[in-house]
Amino acid sequence: RKEVEQDPGPFNVPEGATVAFNCTYSNSASQSFFWYRQDCRKEPKLLMSVYSSGNEDGRFTAQLNRASQYISLLIRDSKLSDSATYLCVVKWAGNNRKLIWGLGTSLAVNP
Amino acid sequence: DAGVIQSPRHEVTEMGQEVTLRCKPISGHNSLFWYRQTMMRGLELLIYFNNNVPIDDSGMPEDRFSAKMPNASFSTLKIQPSEPRDSAVYFCASSSGTSGTDTQYFGPGTRLTVL
Repeated sequence: RKEVEQDPGPFNVPEGATVAFNCTYSNSASQSFFWYRQDCRKEPKLLMSVYSSGNEDGRFTAQLNRASQYISLLIRDSKLSDSATYLCVVKWAGNNRKLIWGLGTSLAVNP
Repeated sequence: DAGVIQSPRHEVTEMGQEVTLRCKPISGHNSLFWYRQTMMRGLELLIYFNNNVPIDDSGMPEDRFSAKMPNASFSTLKIQPSEPRDSAVYFCASSSGTSGTDTQYFGPGTRLTVL
């Protein structure tokens, strides 16, 4: 089983739609969780951290379910500019700074 | 403010040649990461440095790969000899702080093609 798994998609949705991605992780000792966004042929950029209580940033909501070992990202009222690959990232407990990256979920928002 | 700077942006070379990728982290950041990204394997951490010292190089594929960080503002990743399977995008990232959960800021990447 991969350490971090994501549905690669692509997810094709119309503008204004709500779309959700899930990501599962294998290490129950995982400590920190993030969603990064990567545009085509660009570098990854942090979208948001994922907190135990769930957190929201505008149209984006992230949730963590430790019992089932998954995190989710919900995008409401999707925009054309949301088209990108969304990378799920997990940090294991410990002192090192190594992040484990999923392969990403591709989203295409269509007019 | 300047972000992470990488050079070259594109590199095309022939099998067997030496390739050197360069990275300048964000000033003040004390951790530097080298990643490789391919369609099949996604982003893979090759090595990371903390305060110029290599901490984890378990992701370095083999002896053909080496990385150095002679000072806080410069790092290199060298492949010698290069092989076609090394073709990928190589990203450098840097972060600050001590918690390990700090945001990693990526450079634009070097797109390497080995013929």
